[in-house]
Amino acid sequence: EPEVTQTPSHQVTQMGQEVILRCVPISNHLYFYWYRQILGQKVEFLVSFYNNEISEKSEIFDDQFSVERPDGSNFTLKIRSTKLEDSAMYFCASSPRADNSPLHFGNGTRLTVT
Amino acid sequence: AQSVSQHNHHVILSEAASLELGCNYSYGGTVNLFWYVQYPGQHLQLLLKYFSGDPLVKGIKGFEAEFIKSKFSFNLRKPSVQWSDTAEYFCAATIYNFNKFYFGSGTKLNVKP
Repeated sequence: EPEVTQTPSHQVTQMGQEVILRCVPISNHLYFYWYRQILGQKVEFLVSFYNNEISEKSEIFDDQFSVERPDGSNFTLKIRSTKLEDSAMYFCASSPRADNSPLHFGNGTRLTVT
Repeated sequence: AQSVSQHNHHVILSEAASLELGCNYSYGGTVNLFWYVQYPGQHLQLLLKYFSGDPLVKGIKGFEAEFIKSKFSFNLRKPSVQWSDTAEYFCAATIYNFNKFYFGSGTKLNVKP
């Protein structure tokens, strides 16, 4: 069964550094998402992406965040200048359609900002 | 604001016990509801979903959930749990915006062999 893959599985970075989290969605999916889960808290929506542009973003997704689909397969989340509070598990997800198709999640990238 | 609530944060059961995990949502309109499971070290996987029709939905691995509109609830059940059901369970909903899933805070289930 096709899967969403995320790399790296764990990223440690210093405060103020830029990080890029990478995702390869399922190949025939059209909608892409980033969610995050701070330890002990809910899984929170960050951003959705369709047709090479952001379709929706949450209040968490401020100017420090950006997403890109640089080629036909990768979908990246960049955090320009990381803060301690960015430490979380970041999940990429994809779905074939926007009509409440269940999301297919990757394994997540654990980001630790020190 | 729209939200999904899971009131059981940690549940410990013995094998063969019955399971019910609560999920409530706060929205008066049409909702679509999901339960996801996350086994240790693995990604979120869909257990079951409700869009419309029969409010009792059956999912994988013997799980089922019942949508009760009057109670704004979508509780997950399994008549007899196994040790392999040890995982974290997340209730989720898409409300007015199909593009965004709202997740509950999760319930950690620990099944003792």
